[in-house]
Amino acid sequence: KNEVEQSPQNLTAQEGEFITINCSYSVGISALHWLQQHPGGGIVSLFMLSSGKKKHGRLIATINIQEKHSSLHITASHPRDSAVYICAVRPFSNTGNQFYFGTGTSLTVIP
Amino acid sequence: KAGVTQTPRYLIKTRGQQVTLSCSPISGHRSVSWYQQTPGQGLQFLFEYFSETQRNKGNFPGRFSGRQFSNSRSEMNVSTLELGDSALYLCASSLWTSGETQYFGPGTRLLVL
Repeated sequence: KNEVEQSPQNLTAQEGEFITINCSYSVGISALHWLQQHPGGGIVSLFMLSSGKKKHGRLIATINIQEKHSSLHITASHPRDSAVYICAVRPFSNTGNQFYFGTGTSLTVIP
Repeated sequence: KAGVTQTPRYLIKTRGQQVTLSCSPISGHRSVSWYQQTPGQGLQFLFEYFSETQRNKGNFPGRFSGRQFSNSRSEMNVSTLELGDSALYLCASSLWTSGETQYFGPGTRLLVL
């Protein structure tokens, strides 16, 4: 059983659409990260959340600790948003930077 | 500041060989983590080093090992390569080891034939 589940696995959207990617986890966590991976492999950390909501440009991330759920929203999507988005959690039981990862959501934004 | 660098970027080996991958963290970062990424298993944590000490290890066989030097540069080694070790190996650095933002390198793509 994977401790972190993401949905959907694949997502195709038209440019300008509002996009939501979901992440559910089954363990108590101290932090949740959203990562973006472009073709070619490079990974960028988008957000680190322990509660509430964060916004950066067109990206918004929310977390509900009680429901063990987080969402990543992209407003006014653009073809350059096409990437794989990965949710990562740091369980309370883990020390250091040991994370569990979701399998990723592959997003394609069509012009 | 320069980002995280990894060498080599691409590598082809044959079964039974061993391989050493290198990671140079962002200047001042003391934690280096290594990850394996495959299409079937996704991203999986290999190990983390902090101040030259292995702090955590993921669920990988003993063929996978690593070390960190006094300048925080890190190497990982895979001995007796298997076909299933073909993957993208990523390292990430952070200032400390408390779950904060990690900065990823471009990865080393290893193909085992």
